[in-house]
Amino acid sequence: DGGITQSPKYLFRKEGQNVTLSCEQNLNHDAMYWYRQDPGQGLRLIYYSQIVNDFQKGDIAEGYSVSREKKESFPLTVTSAQKNPTAFYLCASSIGTPDFYEQYFGPGTRLTVT
Amino acid sequence: SQQGEEDPQALSIQEGENATMNCSYKTSINNLQWYRQNSGRGLVHLILIRSNEREKHSGRLRVTLDTSKKSSSLLITASRAADTASYFCATSTYGQNFVFGPGTRLSVLP
Repeated sequence: DGGITQSPKYLFRKEGQNVTLSCEQNLNHDAMYWYRQDPGQGLRLIYYSQIVNDFQKGDIAEGYSVSREKKESFPLTVTSAQKNPTAFYLCASSIGTPDFYEQYFGPGTRLTVT
Repeated sequence: SQQGEEDPQALSIQEGENATMNCSYKTSINNLQWYRQNSGRGLVHLILIRSNEREKHSGRLRVTLDTSKKSSSLLITASRAADTASYFCATSTYGQNFVFGPGTRLSVLP
């Protein structure tokens, strides 16, 4: 089956710890995205990557980091510098840029930091 | 900002009724897309409508786009309990990323 997988589904961490969220796609898409969703709100873009070994900051990149060493993988690290990390994190991929193509989303990871 | 803003924030209807939700945005766009999100899940793409199109259909879904009013509507006909979800519009302009609105929460009562 083609699609996007995110793991784990639920993640719990203590304040001050870095945590890495996994995102893998087998759709052969060039573009990948990380979004954050807070309760009752829309999605906000954290980072995106249009091609391997290149990525750009989105609207709320502070306290997050990413890498894109392989086409199919785009892990997100939530660092201790992120002031309010508890949220639902969604990874997405696309053939190309949003002005022409739809995005395919993974099932999400719910991160709780206490 | 080209943020999409859905209206209403929440909508509750009976099974079999039609559901209409609207999206307004502020600047010119290349396309507008509608997505559905079931509770606690990822988003699923529904329809993409380009700026030179006025209406698109997909099964029980009908999307209209009025670029002069900077607005779009999503109509779900003959709604089912399984249509219960949040619906988001996402706007995009050339070379830019999506901007998602806060969504409309639709409840379809059996």
